[in-house]
Amino acid sequence: NAGVMQNPRHLVRRRGQEARLRCSPMKGHSHVYWYRQLPEEGLKFMVYLQKENIIDESGMPKERFSAEFPKEGPSILRIQQVVRGDSAAYFCASSPPGRSNNEQFFGPGTRLTVL
Amino acid sequence: AQSVTQPDIHITVSEGASLELRCNYSYGATPYLFWYVQSPGQGLQLLLKYFSGDTLVQGIKGFEAEFKRSQSSFNLRKPSVHWSDAAEYFCAVLYGSGNTGKRIFGLGTTLHVKP
Repeated sequence: NAGVMQNPRHLVRRRGQEARLRCSPMKGHSHVYWYRQLPEEGLKFMVYLQKENIIDESGMPKERFSAEFPKEGPSILRIQQVVRGDSAAYFCASSPPGRSNNEQFFGPGTRLTVL
Repeated sequence: AQSVTQPDIHITVSEGASLELRCNYSYGATPYLFWYVQSPGQGLQLLLKYFSGDTLVQGIKGFEAEFKRSQSSFNLRKPSVHWSDAAEYFCAVLYGSGNTGKRIFGLGTTLHVKP
C-alpha cells in the first residue's frame, strides 16, 4: 500500500507565476489536509478537504491560494501569482473517513522556491 | 488562544544518553496529543499519540511520552539515544470534539546527537 504521494518534490517558480502542487492520498483515504511549513517555523494548517468538498479552509490565505479534491484524481493546491514569501515546504496528509482524531499520514512534501 | 510550545529549539545529546523533549499546550480541556519526527527532506512520521487512559504512552523507535494534566505537558523521552535519532521533532495537539481534525503544531525541536 503506497503512502501519501506528493509531486513535484521540488518546484521553482518566478514571482508572478502559478504553482500547482499535487497530493495523492493513501488508498481508502478520503480526507486530505494541507499544511505549510515556513522556514524556522512549525507546520501551519491550511485546508481540509473531502472528495469534492472543502470542509475547513480557515488556514488558507484569502487571496491567491485555492485547493480542490476532485472525485477523481489527486488533490491540488494552487498558488497564483507567487511571491517570495510563498517559498516553503507544503505537506499533504491523508486520513481515512471517520473520527477527526484518526491518524493522519503525511507525504514527503513539496518544496517551493520562488525566485 | 490555543497554542503549543516547544521551549527548546535545539538540543544536543551524546549517543547513548537519555533524552527529554518538552512540550506544553494551552487549552482548558484535555486535547489529543501527538509527537512526530521529521528527518531532513522528509515528511512527518507519527511517533506516538495520547487520547485518553494511561498517561504514559509508548511509541515507535523506543520513544515514550507522559501526559501531565497539572502541568499541561506532554514530554517525549527516550532512555538511550541513537545517532539515527537526529532529526526534528514536533509536538502537536488536536482540540475539542467536532474539530475538523486539524493539528496545531509546535515550532519543533532539532535534536543533534554527538558520537
